[in-house]
Amino acid sequence: AQSVTQPDIHITVSEGASLELRCNYSYGATPYLFWYVQSPGQGLQLLLKYFSGDTLVQGIKGFEAEFKRSQSSFNLRKPSVHWSDAAEYFCAVGAGDSWGKLQFGAGTQVVVTP
Amino acid sequence: EAQVTQNPRYLITVTGKKLTVTCSQNMNHEYMSWYRQDPGLGLRQIYYSMNVEVTDKGDVPEGYKVSRKEKRNFPLILESPSPNQTSLYFCASSLNRGGTEAFFGQGTRLTVV
Repeated sequence: AQSVTQPDIHITVSEGASLELRCNYSYGATPYLFWYVQSPGQGLQLLLKYFSGDTLVQGIKGFEAEFKRSQSSFNLRKPSVHWSDAAEYFCAVGAGDSWGKLQFGAGTQVVVTP
Repeated sequence: EAQVTQNPRYLITVTGKKLTVTCSQNMNHEYMSWYRQDPGLGLRQIYYSMNVEVTDKGDVPEGYKVSRKEKRNFPLILESPSPNQTSLYFCASSLNRGGTEAFFGQGTRLTVV
């Protein structure tokens, strides 16, 4: 069965600094990979996704993620964070044999300081 | 506007009192599911449905029921809620194929006392 690990429960970053959120997955084949963001009191919004092809994926709000098969990782990055990026971020894996199901990591809470 | 709508957004109930959380989507998606979100655990799938009248257990189905009589609706039923079902619940829908994006509702904050 697939699994997802987000090693960082909580990250504090200064506004304007760069941000990197780590995600490692366990899955036998090439998975479908997603990053979602959850702002306070809101549902989950898709930031970006990887299915195949170019391993560097661009998403909304200036985020990007890189798929590294050799490291089983799909880390999320943003060059310069804004106060509005304070939220909880979830990495998720979708498996081809279970079309709609997503396996989520535990999430990383991002705090942005002035 | 494409959306998944859950109701209610907030609910406080007592142990043993049956409740239903509704979910409706307007995107004609085949696949719908329910997740619960708990601190430190992320989102875990409760039940899912691949189409009308087709439902199956997810990872944490105990204490829950679902039904899928129409394509757009997928209610979550707690026949006898217990305090350990206090959680944040999300309904999601997607197309029924690999790698498709899931659309989430706004969430239902349930407290069972």
